[in-house]
Amino acid sequence: EVQLVESGGGLVKPGGFLRLSCSASGFSFSTYTMNWVRQAPGKGLEWVSSISSSGRYIYYMDLLKGRFTISRDNAKNSLFLQMNSLRAEDTAVYYCARESDDSFDSWGQGTLVTVSS
Amino acid sequence: DIQMTQSPSSLSASVGDRVTITCRASQSIRSYLNWYQQKPGKAPKLLIYAASSLQSGVPSRFSGSGSGTDFSLTISSLQPGDFATYYCQQSYSHPLTFGGGTKVDIK
Repeated sequence: EVQLVESGGGLVKPGGFLRLSCSASGFSFSTYTMNWVRQAPGKGLEWVSSISSSGRYIYYMDLLKGRFTISRDNAKNSLFLQMNSLRAEDTAVYYCARESDDSFDSWGQGTLVTVSS
Repeated sequence: DIQMTQSPSSLSASVGDRVTITCRASQSIRSYLNWYQQKPGKAPKLLIYAASSLQSGVPSRFSGSGSGTDFSLTISSLQPGDFATYYCQQSYSHPLTFGGGTKVDIK
C-alpha cells in the first residue's frame, strides 16, 4: 500500500523557516517524480514544487521567488521542502503527492503550516 | 502560466442526478487534464487522469471528456458519497495549475 506521511509543520513567526518532510513507503520511491501541493484555509489547491525521480529536474511556482527549496533522499525514501522567509500567505496545509501518468495519484494526509506573530 | 477556470463554482444536486462540471484552460493543454475529489478535512483523491482515463478503484459513474481547452467531468448518478469539492488540474506545463474548484452539495 502506498503511504505518504508528512511532518514538520507548525506555528512559525513571519520571516521564520520550517523544513517539511514526507516519508514514503509501499512503492519504489526513487522512480517517481514527487510534488508539494498546498491549500490555504478555506481555499483551493495550489501546486508548490516538483522534483524528478533523480532530483535532476526541479520546478517551483513563480510566486515563491526562491524562498522554498525542494529536495529528496532516495536512500531514505524521503521528500523535503525547506521553507524560508515565511509569510502569512504561506499559511496552508502542505501535501506531498506522488506523480504518475502526469497526475497526482497518491497524497499524504497533509501537515499544517501556520505563519503568525 | 496556464489558467484553469472551472464552472460552476458550486452547485446543488440530489442523489441520482446527473452532474457535469466544466473546466477551461487558457491555452491548449491537449489531454493533460486531471480531476480530483476532495472531502472536508481530507486529502484530494484522483478520479480521472489524461482527460478521460478512470483511475483504478474509482466508480464508473465518473467520466471525463474533452481535449484542447475545454473539458468536463460528469457524474452519471450522484451518490451520497459524491458530495464534495472537485478540482481540475493541468499537467501540460509548469507551473502546474488547478481550477478554483466546484463544490457539490445536497439540494
